[in-house]
Amino acid sequence: EDKVVQSPLSLVVHEGDTVTLNCSYEVTNFRSLLWYKQEKKAPTFLFMLTSSGIEKKSGRLSSILDKKELFSILNITATQTGDSAVYLCAVPVQGAQKLVFGQGTRLTINP
Amino acid sequence: DTAVSQTPKYLVTQMGNDKSIKCEQNLGHDTMYWYKQDSKKFLKIMFSYNNKELIINETVPNRFSPKSPDKAHLNLHINSLELGDSAVYFCASSQNRDSLSSYNEQFFGPGTRLTVL
Repeated sequence: EDKVVQSPLSLVVHEGDTVTLNCSYEVTNFRSLLWYKQEKKAPTFLFMLTSSGIEKKSGRLSSILDKKELFSILNITATQTGDSAVYLCAVPVQGAQKLVFGQGTRLTINP
Repeated sequence: DTAVSQTPKYLVTQMGNDKSIKCEQNLGHDTMYWYKQDSKKFLKIMFSYNNKELIINETVPNRFSPKSPDKAHLNLHINSLELGDSAVYFCASSQNRDSLSSYNEQFFGPGTRLTVL
């Protein structure tokens, strides 16, 4: 069965800290891995990763994929209170039509 | 303009009732989805429709019946509501590409919070 596991499930840090969120996966016919940020409403797309070792970057957020060890990390540097959210990792399966999500990491940034 | 919209945003109802949630997308996408997100924020796919045709149906009780009158709409009807149906239901859509593509980015609606009392 296709599976995506995230850790930690919950993380509380102070503003300015750097955090690393983890996502491991076991799926057949892997093509890509996605990161989403979910605040109060709908998940919003952050990154799509398809190749190992190539870092994707957007401002203070960056992510990298390791296809040999079957995991990805999402880094956030110099965290701000606005980074507080649930971060979801997902992998498309079944011809890329279906997304399998991890449980999410609830990140809380305290001022 | 809202790309993927859902109504209602909140739905509070009694056990045993029948209710519907509507979803519309104005992105011209071919594929639409329903996801359920439980209290622990675990997001799980329920159904996927491509050009009004059901293509994914996870192990969802048959009390849940999706209906797609056209490509832009995918409604979710739930019969005989149970306490365990309480969750946030998200609709999403994507542009259908061939199955060799890495991913069809899915755009999510704002969610419908269903509370069954």
